[in-house]
Amino acid sequence: AQTVTQSQPEMSVQEAETVTLSCTYDTSESNYYLFWYKQPPSRQMILVIRQEAYKQQNATENRFSVNFQKAAKSFSLKISDSQLGDTAMYFCAFTLYSGGGADGLTFGKGTHLIIQP
Amino acid sequence: GAVVSQHPSWVICKSGTSVKIECRSLDFQATTMFWYRQFPKQSLMLMATSNEGSKATYEQGVEKDKFLINHASLTLSTLTVTSAHPEDSSFYICSASSTREGVYTDTQYFGPGTRLTVL
Repeated sequence: AQTVTQSQPEMSVQEAETVTLSCTYDTSESNYYLFWYKQPPSRQMILVIRQEAYKQQNATENRFSVNFQKAAKSFSLKISDSQLGDTAMYFCAFTLYSGGGADGLTFGKGTHLIIQP
Repeated sequence: GAVVSQHPSWVICKSGTSVKIECRSLDFQATTMFWYRQFPKQSLMLMATSNEGSKATYEQGVEKDKFLINHASLTLSTLTVTSAHPEDSSFYICSASSTREGVYTDTQYFGPGTRLTVL
């Protein structure tokens, strides 16, 4: 079974700062996907960024980027120029490559990120 | 993007009654839908995987007779909580993976969730 660990229950930074959220995972498989989802107070899950395990290049989406270290089974999220709207719960998630489409997600416990004005 | 809706957003019911929650993919066809449960201040836990036209696959520990899932079409999956009890009170979230070109087929897009309170 796969596990996902987020060791930072809560983080707080000032607006415009850069913040890094940590995530490690455990799997014996080689083909999988990793995701970061954001859950604001509305509780709507929003995809932030995705990474295919077979790609060595780290994914980036505007102010969001990841540091994917496959050998270390680490997948951290960096948020640059943080904004008040980034305040939310952030979940790291893992899914195996199923060959035909999406598979069920395994989530970490989440990190509550607070951006201070 | 790929939009998923859920209905109702909030439901209160009496103990012993059944409640149905609908999950719809609005702008794409979803061959696979997923149901998750989230307790307050906790993470999401996968309950079941639903494939159109076939029986759902339940995760270990999830009672399939209590949580009935039907995926009758490519845009609709329903979760029925039968004989609900206060311990079933939770936030239920569905997601769907898109078959539409231009959207990641390996990525899940989530509905806004349904808050169930059983009195």
